Amino acid sequence: KAGVTQTPRYLIKTRGQQVTLSCSPISGHRSVSWYQQTPGQGLQFLFEYFSETQRNKGNFPGRFSGRQFSNSRSEMNVSTLELGDSALYLCASSWGTRLETQYFGPGTRLLVL
Amino acid sequence: AQSVTQLGSHVSVSEGALVLLRCNYSSSVPPYLFWYVQYPNQGLQLLLKYTSAATLVKGINGFEAEFKKSETSFHLTKPSAHMSDAAEYFCAVSDRTGTDKLIFGTGTRLQVFP
Repeated sequence: KAGVTQTPRYLIKTRGQQVTLSCSPISGHRSVSWYQQTPGQGLQFLFEYFSETQRNKGNFPGRFSGRQFSNSRSEMNVSTLELGDSALYLCASSWGTRLETQYFGPGTRLLVL
Repeated sequence: AQSVTQLGSHVSVSEGALVLLRCNYSSSVPPYLFWYVQYPNQGLQLLLKYTSAATLVKGINGFEAEFKKSETSFHLTKPSAHMSDAAEYFCAVSDRTGTDKLIFGTGTRLQVFP
């Protein structure tokens, strides 16, 4: 069974640009969560989508947004990039019922110059 | 609110020695706890999880963890370290207030010396 895939794996952008990251969950999984990992703040929850609806949201500014498609694939978008947005963005999928294990993708490493 | 604290950002052991990575949690409800491992340039891989079925949880790669409610701890152990265990380890608690977002500790980097 294929795991969680994320594209692209690496990305370089400049301040002020916007970026879209993609996540394809494990087949059959309906929940997709996004996390940001930085050396200073560690792993922080961004948001979770389930059946195309945002089910939970972390404490990030409105520049961070996401969506989920009918096939459960998810995208997250960051507008007006700032240097501090440089991070590893991890996507995790699960069946979506309570307390199911979340399976993580390899991440997208974003560098903002 | 749920939180986890990992004591020791770096742990070094010799190959064959005991591995002990510490995690303490704070939770207003019975917690669901996880240990994940992250190898360089990779995502997170689940080692094991505690969901109240048994206090001693066995995971992959010879790791296990014991849930101790009286000590609010969920320490990760492995009897004999292997070079391939060198990685960063994260303890996490599930936020059970609605959905299952994970709240992570700050991580412990494990070094294994030959």
